[in-house]
Amino acid sequence: DADVTQTPRNRITKTGKRIMLECSQTKGHDRMYWYRQDPGLGLRLIYYSFDVKDINKGEISDGYSVSRQAQAKFSLSLESAIPNQTALYFCATSDLNQPQHFGDGTRLSIL
Amino acid sequence: GQQLNQSPQSMFIQEGEDVSMNCTSSSIFNTWLWYKQDPGEGPVLLIALYKAGELTSNGRLTAQFGITRKDSFLNISASIPSDVGIYFCAGQQGNTPLVFGKGTRLSVIA
Repeated sequence: DADVTQTPRNRITKTGKRIMLECSQTKGHDRMYWYRQDPGLGLRLIYYSFDVKDINKGEISDGYSVSRQAQAKFSLSLESAIPNQTALYFCATSDLNQPQHFGDGTRLSIL
Repeated sequence: GQQLNQSPQSMFIQEGEDVSMNCTSSSIFNTWLWYKQDPGEGPVLLIALYKAGELTSNGRLTAQFGITRKDSFLNISASIPSDVGIYFCAGQQGNTPLVFGKGTRLSVIA
């Protein structure tokens, strides 16, 4: 969905590095989410935000932090990356009581 | 946390066959959604269900919201090669974020 843009699309980095994944949206949605996808495990929620002043932990928030810089921007940080954080990361947006719309993902590899 | 049991995990079918997959939960949901993910892309919404017993179609796809509100199924009729991908169910309670199943990987043999 071109309305939800994730950067970078691919990233390879080393253990211990700080990584930031960015998400921006033009849909005007208040709610934004970060998910992680691993083979066979589906989509697991890392953090979510219902508006600019709201940040909530999801199912697997340890080792991650987020920043909601504006309604349209929600970034995910790995302060000190470790190999088991290698995964596909998705940002999503929604309005209240509406389905989520996903970006095309960031493939992150940590060596 | 809440979990959705999605089955089957994978399917290999012949082109033209019908497909059925389902999700069950121990919790009640007031919304059921079905998404499809193509390789290299994010999940895309196929069908949204908001009412127990609701049966909704989108082309060759049909989904139902179970009467107990604890399950949903997705059927695909007359499969074609472009149906290949991973299908996810997702449930929502009230104002909380979606809970996703682990996905059904569909392969279509021409």
